[in-house]
Amino acid sequence: GQQLNQSPQSMFIQEGEDVSMNCTSSSIFNTWLWYKQDPGEGPVLLIALYKAGELTSNGRLTAQFGITRKDSFLNISASIPSDVGIYFCAGTPGAGGTSYGKLTFGQGTILTVHP
Amino acid sequence: KAGVTQTPRYLIKTRGQQVTLSCSPISGHRSVSWYQQTPGQGLQFLFEYFSETQRNKGNFPGRFSGRQFSNSRSEMNVSTLELGDSALYLCASSLLSASSYNEQFFGPGTRLTVL
Repeated sequence: GQQLNQSPQSMFIQEGEDVSMNCTSSSIFNTWLWYKQDPGEGPVLLIALYKAGELTSNGRLTAQFGITRKDSFLNISASIPSDVGIYFCAGTPGAGGTSYGKLTFGQGTILTVHP
Repeated sequence: KAGVTQTPRYLIKTRGQQVTLSCSPISGHRSVSWYQQTPGQGLQFLFEYFSETQRNKGNFPGRFSGRQFSNSRSEMNVSTLELGDSALYLCASSLLSASSYNEQFFGPGTRLTVL
């Protein structure tokens, strides 16, 4: 089935550093979403992207929809301890139309921030 | 506005039993999707319901089923439980608006342990 390759698998950084993670697919996606999940909780939507080349920010977070429609990246600037968690990319494959509620998820990036 | 709620939060069952999980979507959201999350397989799509109809189904055996009620609340059922069914089951709802068609908002999940 459809797979998203998310990297890196884990990151250990110092508070204040910037973070970058990305997601790639072998086929076209028409939506890219980025989620954060804390232990014992469900994923929380951070950013949604709908157009190739789109660059969207949410506070210290910035995400981009790749122009090939096969990749996306998420940047976190000036990391703080509460950024700790697992970050997932997700998307809906295809050049158009609806996925009828099905999101395909990456494997996740585990972020650890040292104070 | 209240978020997605799921009950129960934790459940322990034994092999061969069946279980029913409940999900109440965000008010006004008519699409409900279910996912299974495990350390080995990550987040995998189970099925999606809209207006009491299952529109999409993932690659899971027939032991996994669901339904949606007229108030958009949804339930999923797993019959003849197996050890491998131990997982976090997540429900997500979506407004399906023109500007945010594929955005899904997740509940906290139900942690199912099969002994």
